[in-house]
Amino acid sequence: DSGVTQTPKHLITATGQRVTLRCSPRSGDLSVYWYQQSLDQGLQFLIHYYNGEERAKGNILERFSAQQFPDLHSELNLSSLELGDSALYFCASSVEEYYGYTFGSGTRLTVV
Amino acid sequence: GENVGLHLPTLSVQEGDNSIINCAYSNSASDYFIWYKQESGKGPQFIIDIRSNMDKRQGQRVTVLLNKTVKHLSLQIAATQPGDSAVYFCAENSNTGNQFYFGTGTSLTVIP
Repeated sequence: DSGVTQTPKHLITATGQRVTLRCSPRSGDLSVYWYQQSLDQGLQFLIHYYNGEERAKGNILERFSAQQFPDLHSELNLSSLELGDSALYFCASSVEEYYGYTFGSGTRLTVV
Repeated sequence: GENVGLHLPTLSVQEGDNSIINCAYSNSASDYFIWYKQESGKGPQFIIDIRSNMDKRQGQRVTVLLNKTVKHLSLQIAATQPGDSAVYFCAENSNTGNQFYFGTGTSLTVIP
């Protein structure tokens, strides 16, 4: 157990739907990062939050959004889902920015 | 994002042999590098890191070498074991960045 908790582990949903992925960082970690991993794209950075504030955006679609709450957990919202959104979504946390990450075990999203 | 690539997408080694996994990076400003191991169905796991003020760092059975001149990073695994079979990613960060950029990964298979 890495200490980073992601729920749900698996999610199957239909095109056009909206889902929310949840991440609880390791105790004491202020930074949360979201990554998307698909077979042909590797690990793609989506977004980074630090202590509730958005710090950086990567290749995140406008249909996707995220936030980090006062208790430091984070949610990634994916809407108007398309087949191509099927992927593993990882959350990672670190105690500070510019430190190595600890990853959660991921949420496998399947859009049908 | 940054161009972090791997020379070999797959690598097969005999159990007990040493493994070398290579990675090239393109951002000369990158000064912090991490190797991650990802087993099937799991999130990436931190193996070892190195900062640019070093050219070599050793861990337990693993060594990371950094050649800043040619922007090359390698991971050496000594006495490779079946449990080392996984996908290995290199990741880079710079002190001006808030996130790590990952290579596409090398799949290591250990033959018993």
